[in-house]
Amino acid sequence: GQQLNQSPQSMFIQEGEDVSMNCTSSSIFNTWLWYKQDPGEGPVLLIALYKAGELTSNGRLTAQFGITRKDSFLNISASIPSDVGIYFCAGLPISSGSARQLTFGSGTQLTVLP
Amino acid sequence: SAVISQKPSRDICQRGTSLTIQCQVDSQVTMMFWYRQQPGQSLTLIATANQGSEATYESGFVIDKFPISRPNLTFSTLTVSNMSPEDSSIYLCSVNRANEQFFGPGTRLTVL
Repeated sequence: GQQLNQSPQSMFIQEGEDVSMNCTSSSIFNTWLWYKQDPGEGPVLLIALYKAGELTSNGRLTAQFGITRKDSFLNISASIPSDVGIYFCAGLPISSGSARQLTFGSGTQLTVLP
Repeated sequence: SAVISQKPSRDICQRGTSLTIQCQVDSQVTMMFWYRQQPGQSLTLIATANQGSEATYESGFVIDKFPISRPNLTFSTLTVSNMSPEDSSIYLCSVNRANEQFFGPGTRLTVL
């Protein structure tokens, strides 16, 4: 099956700092999705990417679809305490548009220190 | 986006019993997906629920353990049968709209 490597596994940053996390795949993806999950909640979709090289922002969040179609990164600028949570990447392989093939990264646990 | 609700939000169950989780979506969808998230882990797809046909299960998941119903295009249930402590997880309902996957709030299950 598909392999998605997400890093880092966890991050501790000071409030106001920028943070970056990324995902790499062993194969080509057609779509990249980034989610945030708060404790006790389901994942919430932050950004969706559909084209190689695409750079998309959502407030302080910016994500890019890598040119090779095998990677994506998520940046958070000027972090605030409510950014705390687990961030997941997810990808759909280019060989299939079926949501059954959606693969998730292992998650990045973000802690923002005051 | 999609508005998805789940019931119950959490439950604590005894070993050997069964729990049925309900999922309601705000508008009609062809497929509804059930995921499991074990403690500290990522999301794993259990099965895809199709209206009018049997659910499609992923490798490692079987209908006897996780029976699914899909009586209409906005509703589905997942039953966790004959539970053991290893079934303690968050169970999430999900739908896909325009290549974007949306999730319900999850059902946190603890099996004693």
